[in-house]
Amino acid sequence: SQTIHQWPATLVQPVGSPLSLECTVEGTSNPNLYWYRQAAGRGLQLLFYSVGIGQISSEVPQNLSASRPQDRQFILSSKKLLLSDSGFYLCAWGRQNNQPQHFGDGTRLSIL
Amino acid sequence: DQQVKQNSPSLSVQEGRISILNCDYTNSMFDYFLWYKKYPAEGPTFLISISSIKDKNEDGRFTVFLNKSAKHLSLHIVPSQPGDSAVYFCAASAILPGKLIFGTGTRLQVFP
Repeated sequence: SQTIHQWPATLVQPVGSPLSLECTVEGTSNPNLYWYRQAAGRGLQLLFYSVGIGQISSEVPQNLSASRPQDRQFILSSKKLLLSDSGFYLCAWGRQNNQPQHFGDGTRLSIL
Repeated sequence: DQQVKQNSPSLSVQEGRISILNCDYTNSMFDYFLWYKKYPAEGPTFLISISSIKDKNEDGRFTVFLNKSAKHLSLHIVPSQPGDSAVYFCAASAILPGKLIFGTGTRLQVFP
């Protein structure tokens, strides 16, 4: 069966510091991969998605970037964190249209 | 522009009764709809979905209804159980490669 792992579960970082969140998927190949953010009191907002190695699409302009160095690895990064980057970050994988996406347990990021 | 709306932030239902969660959307190009359940500090878990060619889909205690003319979908949970207490998100998809647009969620509380 397929599983998705995210780490770390929680992270506290100072403003201006770099960020690297990692997500890996097991049990499937060539998945579509997604990064979402849930800000306090709001729904899930799609940040990035990828349909293959090295391919990244950005949904909203922001301080973050994503990379997919391997088929089942998706990384969310920032060179300098802002206070507004605080939130709950979720990685998800899916297969194709009209199929559900499956989420990891998320990373709670707090910027001080 | 909020393309998927959940206008009720919270709902309280007695155990054994029916829970009805509502969702409205604005984009007529959406052709696939999903409901997710989320506990605190965890990722959303897929519950049930429906394609736009159907108006009803049932899975155990969960039924999703789609009214395309009204651009409205609902999730019925019968009978409601205390373990159903969580935040429920509706989501919609229309665009390759299956990007999901989420509502802001409804917190369901089922009391004994």
